Amino acid sequence: EIVLTQSPDFQSVTPKEKVTITCRASQRIGSSLHWYQQKPDQSPKLLIKYTSQSISGVPSRFSGSGSGTDFTLTINSLETEDAATYYCHQSYSLPWTFGQGTKVEIK
Amino acid sequence: EVQLVESGGGLVEPGGSLRLSCAASGFTFSNAWMNWVRQAPGKGLEWVGRITDKTDGGTAGYAAPVKGRFTISRDDSKTTLYLQMNSLKTEDTAVYYCTTPGIVVPGTRGSFDIWGQGTLVTVSS
Repeated sequence: EIVLTQSPDFQSVTPKEKVTITCRASQRIGSSLHWYQQKPDQSPKLLIKYTSQSISGVPSRFSGSGSGTDFTLTINSLETEDAATYYCHQSYSLPWTFGQGTKVEIK
Repeated sequence: EVQLVESGGGLVEPGGSLRLSCAASGFTFSNAWMNWVRQAPGKGLEWVGRITDKTDGGTAGYAAPVKGRFTISRDDSKTTLYLQMNSLKTEDTAVYYCTTPGIVVPGTRGSFDIWGQGTLVTVSS
């Protein structure tokens, strides 16, 4: 099973600051890495798929990068509405797995 | 409008069974890979399993904690996905989400673009 480890687990950030969340895979997963945002009492929402592909309707301040085992979600100029938990997910090989999540709080 | 609506959750005793349903609309269900993802109270997301479309064999794959106890199936004529859960344990308590990439090109069916609202399963005596 491929293990995804996110860092940090928690981040407290001021508005307009840049946020970087990393996701490290226990083995190479090509570009099969996706990012989701989940707000309290809501279903998860896809932000970025296949490492860097943007999603229609998702603000352009969200971007993804990486390859092999190391991947990054970047939020440029954080807004208050971005307070949420963020998850990475790999679909390279079964069983598909998620990272443990990174909670982003607004200061 | 593309939509997934789960149902069938509830309270069940340990060792019991439950069947969840996910009604799909707004896209060609028969061509879509479908997944179940769960989230225990206060915890992160956990992939439960997925079923491919008939073109790819209608094959199901499962996470280790549920393999042998849970079965995913689909009825394309009813555009509905199912999760049959047997031998339930307290650790299966979670909100269960139905999710899919929708209709995408082959080789890009791994993302979860569309999500339902979830249905809560509570396993307790």
